[in-house]
Amino acid sequence: EAQVTQNPRYLITVTGKKLTVTCSQNMNHEYMSWYRQDPGLGLRQIYYSMNVEVTDKGDVPEGYKVSRKEKRNFPLILESPSPNQTSLYFCASSKSSLNIQYFGAGTRLSVL
Amino acid sequence: RKEVEQDPGPFNVPEGATVAFNCTYSNSASQSFFWYRQDCRKEPKLLMSVYSSGNEDGRFTAQLNRASQYISLLIRDSKLSDSATYLCVVSSFNKFYFGSGTKLNVKP
Repeated sequence: EAQVTQNPRYLITVTGKKLTVTCSQNMNHEYMSWYRQDPGLGLRQIYYSMNVEVTDKGDVPEGYKVSRKEKRNFPLILESPSPNQTSLYFCASSKSSLNIQYFGAGTRLSVL
Repeated sequence: RKEVEQDPGPFNVPEGATVAFNCTYSNSASQSFFWYRQDCRKEPKLLMSVYSSGNEDGRFTAQLNRASQYISLLIRDSKLSDSATYLCVVSSFNKFYFGSGTKLNVKP
């Protein structure tokens, strides 16, 4: 079954404690992306990757890091989380930046 | 100015009604256009891609007007199961931009 898998689904952490949210896709897609969704603001792109070892900033990259060492995986790293990063996060993949995106089920993050 | 703007609604309509949503985008060089559906903060799911020639999928019709930079979605014969938030999505220069969504409530 074609899917995008992200983990964990729920996470409560404290300010400053590094965390990683994993994302994996089994569709051999080249384009992957991370979004955060906040009430009234819609989904905003954090980082995206056009291919292995190619990543670039989206609209809200501050406080986040990503890596793309393999085609299927695109982890999101918060080196020092802060309360304003409390949000709902989605990973997505697509064949390219012009094609349909498929989303993971989301990660609800709370930073205390 | 936001890249993509939508009326947040909510649109409250009775079953069987026809409802239309519009969405405007700011970048005239935008390349791809989509409507997604999102239920209760679950993951967005593709409803349909939008083409300049217009496209239809059952009760759903999407239109793109490049000259005026807007995208529309028409839902005919609304069902209770159509209740959701509809997201307009635009692709420009390798990035995806989402509208904040239009909430639809279909009532018996």
